[in-house]
Amino acid sequence: GDSVTQMEGPVTLSEEAFLTINCTYTATGYPSLFWYVQYPGEGLQLLLKATKADDKGSNKGFEATYRKETTSFHLEKGSVQVSDSAVYFCALIEGGGSQGNLIFGKGTKLSVKP
Amino acid sequence: GAGVSQSPRYKVAKRGQDVALRCDPISGHVSLFWYQQALGQGPEFLTYFQNEAQLDKSGLPSDRFFAERPEGSVSTLKIQRTQQEDSAVYLCASSLVVRAEQYFGPGTRLTVT
Repeated sequence: GDSVTQMEGPVTLSEEAFLTINCTYTATGYPSLFWYVQYPGEGLQLLLKATKADDKGSNKGFEATYRKETTSFHLEKGSVQVSDSAVYFCALIEGGGSQGNLIFGKGTKLSVKP
Repeated sequence: GAGVSQSPRYKVAKRGQDVALRCDPISGHVSLFWYQQALGQGPEFLTYFQNEAQLDKSGLPSDRFFAERPEGSVSTLKIQRTQQEDSAVYLCASSLVVRAEQYFGPGTRLTVT
């Protein structure tokens, strides 16, 4: 079945450093791809999404590009802040007629130090 | 407007007890999902409702798990005869229509002792 693999954490960066969190997927069809973020003590929030190949999702300075040829959706940010400390989840919804349940990676914990 | 709410936020149950977890989705949202998140893992799909119809329960780990959404709004996830391996955070999410953006509740953290 479809699956998502993301880099293991934790990732520790200094403020203003460049962030990349790798995510690759396995899917039989044409999935929609998502990044969700979970801040300490809070619920999952949608960070960004892309629904077709070469789409770029962006929000709050974060970006990810849907790369069909490499089956990847890596999350990047040019300059992280302490407030970006959270757990980040890559996820997909299967293509075709699926009902839309999300398939998640295991999550990557990011800690940003001042 | 109000987001997805879940209650209780924390539940401690002795092994063998039954528990009921409640989800109040965003008003008017057709689709409702339940996920289970073990410590240090990503959420895993349990079951899906479209209005009051439970269209997919393939992710429920055993027949001790039961979910309902009788009037197409509030949903309850019930776990009978809880076991230690049921300890996890149970997340509810709703979306306006099928395959639309999902909005998550804060989760219920279940600890079985």
